[in-house]
Amino acid sequence: DTAVSQTPKYLVTQMGNDKSIKCEQNLGHDTMYWYKQDSKKFLKIMFSYNNKELIINETVPNRFSPKSPDKAHLNLHINSLELGDSAVYFCASSQDSSLYSGANVLTFGAGSRLTVL
Amino acid sequence: DQQVKQNSPSLSVQEGRISILNCDYTNSMFDYFLWYKKYPAEGPTFLISISSIKDKNEDGRFTVFLNKSAKHLSLHIVPSQPGDSAVYFCAATFSNDYKLSFGAGTTVTVRA
Repeated sequence: DTAVSQTPKYLVTQMGNDKSIKCEQNLGHDTMYWYKQDSKKFLKIMFSYNNKELIINETVPNRFSPKSPDKAHLNLHINSLELGDSAVYFCASSQDSSLYSGANVLTFGAGSRLTVL
Repeated sequence: DQQVKQNSPSLSVQEGRISILNCDYTNSMFDYFLWYKKYPAEGPTFLISISSIKDKNEDGRFTVFLNKSAKHLSLHIVPSQPGDSAVYFCAATFSNDYKLSFGAGTTVTVRA
């Protein structure tokens, strides 16, 4: 039973299209995140929601819009896809937003590989 | 601007020997550090962490050392096993940061 599940696992699409990646966690966690792993392999935070409220919004183009219908789901919608959006997108969750303890760690999904042609 | 750096993209070690992974950081506010391990086609999983009030934390075969003055931490794996072959990410945070800042990862290959 997957704790943090993302769909789709792979996504290949053309420039200019709009696509969504869905994420669900069954851990009962309050906080969810989207991280992007680009070609340089860094994992960079994009967004974080705590109990459906946006608490982190890093410098991300407006074409990216997260939506959290409830605290178990955090979806990522991307408009007008560009070549540079090609990356692996990881969803994660944590008990709460304070990551200052080994008792509250990020649990990641398996990632969604987006390829923009 | 990357605040957490892992300057060695890869490391190859013989089974049974020690693996030493290094990580440097630039943000002086960081005071909690973590290591995550990632297998192919899976998400990263938490391995071990250390608070800045300590200089060493040990969990079985894994030990993390922290040198605050040098802004440097390292992960030691002793003895290395084939199942340790993975990508290891260093991460850091501070109180009220609400996120982890990650390095680019080091790929460890343990040779039989």
